[in-house]
Amino acid sequence: QKEVEQNSGPLSVPEGAIASLNCTYSDRGSQSFFWYRQYSGKSPELIMFIYSNGDKEDGRFTAQLNKASQYVSLLIRDSQPSDSATYLCAVKGGPPGSARQLTFGSGTQLTVLP
Amino acid sequence: SAVISQKPSRDICQRGTSLTIQCQVDSQVTMMFWYRQQPGQSLTLIATANQGSEATYESGFVIDKFPISRPNLTFSTLTVSNMSPEDSSIYLCSVVGLASNEQFFGPGTRLTVL
Repeated sequence: QKEVEQNSGPLSVPEGAIASLNCTYSDRGSQSFFWYRQYSGKSPELIMFIYSNGDKEDGRFTAQLNKASQYVSLLIRDSQPSDSATYLCAVKGGPPGSARQLTFGSGTQLTVLP
Repeated sequence: SAVISQKPSRDICQRGTSLTIQCQVDSQVTMMFWYRQQPGQSLTLIATANQGSEATYESGFVIDKFPISRPNLTFSTLTVSNMSPEDSSIYLCSVVGLASNEQFFGPGTRLTVL
């Protein structure tokens, strides 16, 4: 079993819809969770992070964390064609600020159709 | 977030040669990492660059092939030695800032080995 699992997609949604990206992780000790967006030919860009159970909202993005279910998701509201990219889930064990490394999922490719 | 630059941004090299990639950050950081991303794949951690001491390599990566230096808190180099076509990839520098838990990526170096 992979440590961090994502549906590789591709996931296609129409413009204006909600895109839902999901990620599960195996290490129950994980305490820091990150979502990166990567456009084709570019490096990963950090868009959200979440450390506590529940929801965290930032503009059109909402990260959701459920540690009991070992599940983290990213919702993109009012999806735009410019949101078309690969989204990488990353998980870090230990408390925020610890020197642990990130473990990345394989990424979900999102396409927003005009 | 820290501004990260990498040199060169891309290069085409001959088999058997070596290339040194530089990573410069505009502020002091605690952690510096080197990743590889092969076409269509997720990120693979090569090593953690430690200031003033030998880097910590992940399984499958060795110092003779990927020597790393980190002379201070803002600069690191990765050398890809005795290159083969299998080394063709994007190499990414990544950092965690002081008093921060978030990890950011440089723009990457696209390497092609002929």
